[in-house]
Amino acid sequence: DGGITQSPKYLFRKEGQNVTLSCEQNLNHDAMYWYRQDPGQGLRLIYYSQIVNDFQKGDIAEGYSVSREKKESFPLTVTSAQKNPTAFYLCASTLDRFGGYTFGSGTRLTVV
Amino acid sequence: SQQGEEDPQALSIQEGENATMNCSYKTSINNLQWYRQNSGRGLVHLILIRSNEREKHSGRLRVTLDTSKKSSSLLITASRAADTASYFCATAPFSNDYKLSFGAGTTVTVRA
Repeated sequence: DGGITQSPKYLFRKEGQNVTLSCEQNLNHDAMYWYRQDPGQGLRLIYYSQIVNDFQKGDIAEGYSVSREKKESFPLTVTSAQKNPTAFYLCASTLDRFGGYTFGSGTRLTVV
Repeated sequence: SQQGEEDPQALSIQEGENATMNCSYKTSINNLQWYRQNSGRGLVHLILIRSNEREKHSGRLRVTLDTSKKSSSLLITASRAADTASYFCATAPFSNDYKLSFGAGTTVTVRA
């Protein structure tokens, strides 16, 4: 079945550590997105990529980095520069420029 | 930046009743979309309505769009316990840079 796979489901980060969240899709979608969701809040855009080898900053890119070397993959690295990384991270993709998104099931990141 | 704002923030209804939630936005849009999120899960795309459409139906869902008032509503008829979730509106701008802006959501609880 086609879809988006995010891993791991739960991730714990120590202070000063970089961690990478995986997002893989087999939908042949060109565009991929990373959103952050805090409790009781909506989604805020971190980074997005509309084509391989190209990506743009979203509204809250500071402390995060991404790469898009393959169409299927859009990993997100949460760096030590992100001071408040505890949140639920959602990856999404879309085929059509003005279409709906398909979301992964999310990664919950906690700082310990 | 969050463009859509949902109202109410929370809604509790009896099974079989209808649930209505509203979304207001600030700038012109290409389309508006509604998503559902069950607790701790990713978002699921429900329905998309384009700026030149006024009403759209999908099963027990009815969405309206009033571009003059910059608002949309989502009606769920004959609600079921399985409809318990958070519902988000998302707006797509007229732009080559395709990215959705999400509101903070309406939490719907359907009581058996």
